[in-house]
Amino acid sequence: EIVLTQSPATLSLSPGERATLSCRASQSVSTYLAWYQQKPGQAPRLLIYDTSNRATGVPARFSGSGSETDFTLTISSLESEDFAVYYCQQRTTWPLGFGGGTKVEIK
Amino acid sequence: QVQLVQSGAEVKKPGASVKVSCKASGYTFLNYGLSWVRQAPGQGLEWMGWISAYNGNTHYAQKFQGRVTVTTDTSTSTAHMELRSLKSDDTAVYYCARDDGYCSSTNCYTNEYFQHWGQGTLVTVSS
Repeated sequence: EIVLTQSPATLSLSPGERATLSCRASQSVSTYLAWYQQKPGQAPRLLIYDTSNRATGVPARFSGSGSETDFTLTISSLESEDFAVYYCQQRTTWPLGFGGGTKVEIK
Repeated sequence: QVQLVQSGAEVKKPGASVKVSCKASGYTFLNYGLSWVRQAPGQGLEWMGWISAYNGNTHYAQKFQGRVTVTTDTSTSTAHMELRSLKSDDTAVYYCARDDGYCSSTNCYTNEYFQHWGQGTLVTVSS
């Protein structure tokens, strides 16, 4: 089973700042990694798939990079609606799995 | 448009079973797999299992093996998730989520990322 570890657990930033979120896999997932955003009381929203492809309707300030075991989600300039929890997910092998999440909060 | 509509909230006693349904519309049900993902209060997302709507093949997280069954009813485009021997720490919101991808006139190209989610079903386990 592939374990995904996200860091930091919490990121305290101000609007307009750059956010850098990390996801590390216990073994290679190639580029089969996605990122989701979740706000309270809502289902997750797919942001990025296959490491770096933005899902439909996702703003260009969201970008993903990485490969094998180390991945990064970058939000270039935080907007008020970006304060939320972010999860990574791998689909390389069964069982599928999510990371533990990073909360991006307002500083 | 793709819609996944889940059944309503449930309250169960420890040791009981729960069955949550997920009715799909807006796409050809047989062409996409469905996963079940849960989220305990204040916790992260936990993938539980997946089913191919085409042939019924399943994959489960080891943690739930033997305690969870995912099925589909293709006549009603509905997926079901049954969880047995409930414990208090099974209290969570349970989501169904459809594989992403697209279908051309001749082939479908799908992947286990989740663009479309149900609204979630709260299952509370309490004596």
